Amino acid sequence: GESVGLHLPTLSVQEGDNSIINCAYSNSASDYFIWYKQESGKGPQFIIDIRSNMDKRQGQRVTVLLNKTVKHLSLQIAATQPGDSAVYFCAENGVDTSYGKLTFGQGTILTVHP
Amino acid sequence: NAGVTQTPKFQVLKTGQSMTLQCAQDMNHEYMSWYRQDPGMGLRLIHYSVGAGITDQGEVPNGYNVSRSTTEDFPLRLLSAAPSQTSVYFCASSYSWTSGDTQYFGPGTRLTVL
Repeated sequence: GESVGLHLPTLSVQEGDNSIINCAYSNSASDYFIWYKQESGKGPQFIIDIRSNMDKRQGQRVTVLLNKTVKHLSLQIAATQPGDSAVYFCAENGVDTSYGKLTFGQGTILTVHP
Repeated sequence: NAGVTQTPKFQVLKTGQSMTLQCAQDMNHEYMSWYRQDPGMGLRLIHYSVGAGITDQGEVPNGYNVSRSTTEDFPLRLLSAAPSQTSVYFCASSYSWTSGDTQYFGPGTRLTVL
């Protein structure tokens, strides 16, 4: 049968709009979360991270929000640009937190229209 | 610094053939890992190493072997390739293995097994 994983969530926005990409995580013991950007044909690139003792962290044009109550993570991109078009993955620190193993989400395709 | 490098970029194998995917980093990172990425999915951890001479299994280790004889190199070996191993393989490294250390990814090796 067809795998659910073949249909990534997609988000289409106009250039200049703000984008919000969401991620649900499963392990309530995870204490570190990262957002990666992956452009076509390239490896994942670090965007921003957040620890579980925080609920918000801001970078350049990006903000990550963490809601531990509902195990939800979001990435906000301000003034989205065509160069932001990519697949965005959230990742959480694995169950064995002493070894920095990451568990990745499925990914969201962001398309920015000029 | 070249960062994380991977060779080859592309490879086609026949079922049953063996090969080694190379990964090297010049950042003196202790932690290195291998992930595979299947279409429409996030990355899954295959094997990882917390330092020279130390390796351990990740989420999907079957069919793969690794070794870590030096800090710089972390090759991934397929002893008898199977079509199920068709995927894109990413190597990553970070300064240490503790939660919070950014992992840097290589450009990937696209492997097809016929």
